[in-house]
Amino acid sequence: DQQVKQNSPSLSVQEGRISILNCDYTNSMFDYFLWYKKYPAEGPTFLISISSIKDKNEDGRFTVFLNKSAKHLSLHIVPSQPGDSAVYFCAAIGQNGNEKLTFGTGTRLTIIP
Amino acid sequence: ETGVTQSPTHLIKTRGQQVTLRCSSQSGHNTVSWYQQALGQGPQFIFQYYREEENGRGNFPPRFSGLQFPNYSSELNVNALELDDSALYLCASSFWDGETQYFGPGTRLLVL
Repeated sequence: DQQVKQNSPSLSVQEGRISILNCDYTNSMFDYFLWYKKYPAEGPTFLISISSIKDKNEDGRFTVFLNKSAKHLSLHIVPSQPGDSAVYFCAAIGQNGNEKLTFGTGTRLTIIP
Repeated sequence: ETGVTQSPTHLIKTRGQQVTLRCSSQSGHNTVSWYQQALGQGPQFIFQYYREEENGRGNFPPRFSGLQFPNYSSELNVNALELDDSALYLCASSFWDGETQYFGPGTRLLVL
């Protein structure tokens, strides 16, 4: 049972344009969501997070949007840069906070120069 | 501030053997979680340690076991290795009451 889903395995975006990565979840007990970026041969690097009490969080070029009623979140990267090419994982955590992260299967983002 | 470190980086074992993977948490973090990432998948939660005790476990058999030490470093032990145990093993550390977990570079295990 995949509780966190990233339905696009890959995405290609022109440099300078906006990249939008999507994530859906099924477990209504999730109340904190994170995005991680992963390069080959490295561990996931934390990018940005959002609590369920918010619908938007912004950090520089990265913005995460949360639609609780649709159980959907998205990561916007603008402008996209070649160094953004990586695999992006969406993850969710339950209400207790200090629990396991449940990850999606990832989206490979390729930025085309 | 020192990040999460893991050793070794790569390991090759044969079926039936035992393996120990090690993790040092980011300074100040007291909670360590272990994840298995198979090829093409997202990381899957194995277990979490806090105050040297297991605090939560994913859907992994008992031959996956762990330890946490007083300095918050941790070990993951896998007995009776199977071919399907071949994966990237990730360690993540965090504060007990923090939602964000910070990952190490991982140990890539190949079981032949």
